[in-house]
Amino acid sequence: EAGVAQSPRYKIIEKRQSVAFWCNPISGHATLYWYQQILGQGPKLLIQFQNNGVVDDSQLPKDRFSAERLKGVDSTLKIQPAKLEDSAVYLCASSLGLINEQFFGPGTRLTVL
Amino acid sequence: RKEVEQDPGPFNVPEGATVAFNCTYSNSASQSFFWYRQDCRKEPKLLMSVYSSGNEDGRFTAQLNRASQYISLLIRDSKLSDSATYLCVVNMVAAGNKLTFGGGTRVLVKP
Repeated sequence: EAGVAQSPRYKIIEKRQSVAFWCNPISGHATLYWYQQILGQGPKLLIQFQNNGVVDDSQLPKDRFSAERLKGVDSTLKIQPAKLEDSAVYLCASSLGLINEQFFGPGTRLTVL
Repeated sequence: RKEVEQDPGPFNVPEGATVAFNCTYSNSASQSFFWYRQDCRKEPKLLMSVYSSGNEDGRFTAQLNRASQYISLLIRDSKLSDSATYLCVVNMVAAGNKLTFGGGTRVLVKP
């Protein structure tokens, strides 16, 4: 069974530039999560989708971050404009439902210079 | 106070020894608990769920203490391959199944 796919794996940009990440969850998984993990810290939930609806985006910095899951399958996370403190690994995870085990993708390592 | 707190470590453990560490959570309404393992520069992977009665999976034992609001993980007969960061995860069903991760406890098993 294919796992959660993410791209790109690495991205280096300058501050104030824009960047987008893509995630394709495991087939059939209704719930999709985006996490930000700063070096030395645990993952922080940015946004959680159930199918194509947002369940929780309370920790998403909405002035610069946006995410969508239009068809209830794959998802994109965008940062515009990026700041130095956005340097982190962005992890996508999916699960069958809200109470099921989460499976993580390999992450996108973002460096903002 | 952070919602989920862990001792960052590192816990330096001789191979074959036992190591245990805790994770405290602040919200008494928390309902589900998990331990995830994260290897260096890899994604987190579920190690085990934590049940009220405690549970064991091979060399790993997880316990929940609701009265004191902490969960624990014990690793017996440590292997070099157990070296990783162990993330505690707390799920608040009442908050739409929001998962909150602790900062992780780093374990280094040495020969």
